Amino acid sequence: KAGVTQTPRYLIKTRGQQVTLSCSPISGHRSVSWYQQTPGQGLQFLFEYFSETQRNKGNFPGRFSGRQFSNSRSEMNVSTLELGDSALYLCASSLVLGAEAFFGQGTRLTVV
Amino acid sequence: DQQVKQNSPSLSVQEGRISILNCDYTNSMFDYFLWYKKYPAEGPTFLISISSIKDKNEDGRFTVFLNKSAKHLSLHIVPSQPGDSAVYFCAASGVYNQGGKLIFGQGTELSVKP
Repeated sequence: KAGVTQTPRYLIKTRGQQVTLSCSPISGHRSVSWYQQTPGQGLQFLFEYFSETQRNKGNFPGRFSGRQFSNSRSEMNVSTLELGDSALYLCASSLVLGAEAFFGQGTRLTVV
Repeated sequence: DQQVKQNSPSLSVQEGRISILNCDYTNSMFDYFLWYKKYPAEGPTFLISISSIKDKNEDGRFTVFLNKSAKHLSLHIVPSQPGDSAVYFCAASGVYNQGGKLIFGQGTELSVKP
């Protein structure tokens, strides 16, 4: 069974640009969550989707947004990139809300 | 306000001995706890979980203990192996009021020496 797949693995963007990250969950999993990992703040929850609906949102500015498609695949978008957005962005999928979450390899975003 | 805390940033253990990683939480609404192992530049790997209705859960070399009155959980790895060297994160969720949102501790870097 394939795991959670995130694309791209690495990305370099310039301040002010926008970026879209993609996540394909484990087959059959309907819940997708996104996390940001930085050295200073650790792993922080961004948002969670279930059945194409955002169920939960973390404490991040509106520049961070996401969506989920009918096949459970998810994308997150960050607009007007800032240097502080440089981080490892992790996607996790679970069968249903609240079940064990399985993480992808992450997308390393560097903003210059 | 850090709701999940791992107070030891690092831990060093000899191969074959027990590793004990600790985690404290403050939110009494948490009812599900998980441990993840993480290597640099990779996603966390799920290890073991425990529901708040239990006080112990075992899976092979890994055992998680939950003390609700103390709001404390611990992960025991017996016997420790060099391949266990990684950063370990505990995470908590309040399934009934927060869905699948996980609150992570800051992590403990475990080093198992041969």
